[in-house]
Amino acid sequence: EPEVTQTPSHQVTQMGQEVILRCVPISNHLYFYWYRQILGQKVEFLVSFYNNEISEKSEIFDDQFSVERPDGSNFTLKIRSTKLEDSAMYFCASSALREQYFGPGTRLTVT
Amino acid sequence: GQQVMQIPQYQHVQEGEDFTTYCNSSTTLSNIQWYKQRPGGHPVFLIQLVKSGEVKKQKRLTFQFGEAKKNSSLHITATQTTDVGTYFCETSYGKLTFGQGTILTVHP
Repeated sequence: EPEVTQTPSHQVTQMGQEVILRCVPISNHLYFYWYRQILGQKVEFLVSFYNNEISEKSEIFDDQFSVERPDGSNFTLKIRSTKLEDSAMYFCASSALREQYFGPGTRLTVT
Repeated sequence: GQQVMQIPQYQHVQEGEDFTTYCNSSTTLSNIQWYKQRPGGHPVFLIQLVKSGEVKKQKRLTFQFGEAKKNSSLHITATQTTDVGTYFCETSYGKLTFGQGTILTVHP
């Protein structure tokens, strides 16, 4: 069964550093998403992407965040200057229509 | 911003007991989705509800969408230890919104 993959599974970075989280969505899907989940809290929507542009973004997704689909398979989330409060699990998801398939997540730890 | 309220936050049951979680919105929803997240895992899609008053079943799980499309419920009959996890509803108010989730624990 096709699945969404994410790398790395765990990223540790120092405050102020840039990080890039990578995702490979399911190949025939057209909609891509990033979510984050702070430990013990609910899943929070960050951004959705369709047709090579952002279609929706939340208040969390400020100028420090950017997304890119650099080629036909990867979908990346960049955080330019990480803060301690960016520590969370980041999930990528993709969908053909409405059902979203989530990747296993990248745990980001900012020290 | 607009939110979907999910209750209860936690539910602990004995194996074999039933379980229900509810999502409520102050505004009419176009659709609602339910997901399950096992401890340490990622959300997994369960169902989508679109029509007013819709009821869908998946084995021991029953999903309902209210007549006014402002609330939804997930009911599990005769819980098993494999049902443990967090159950989320998700909808869109222009922006995708997840409920707070209900953490279900099942005591064998």
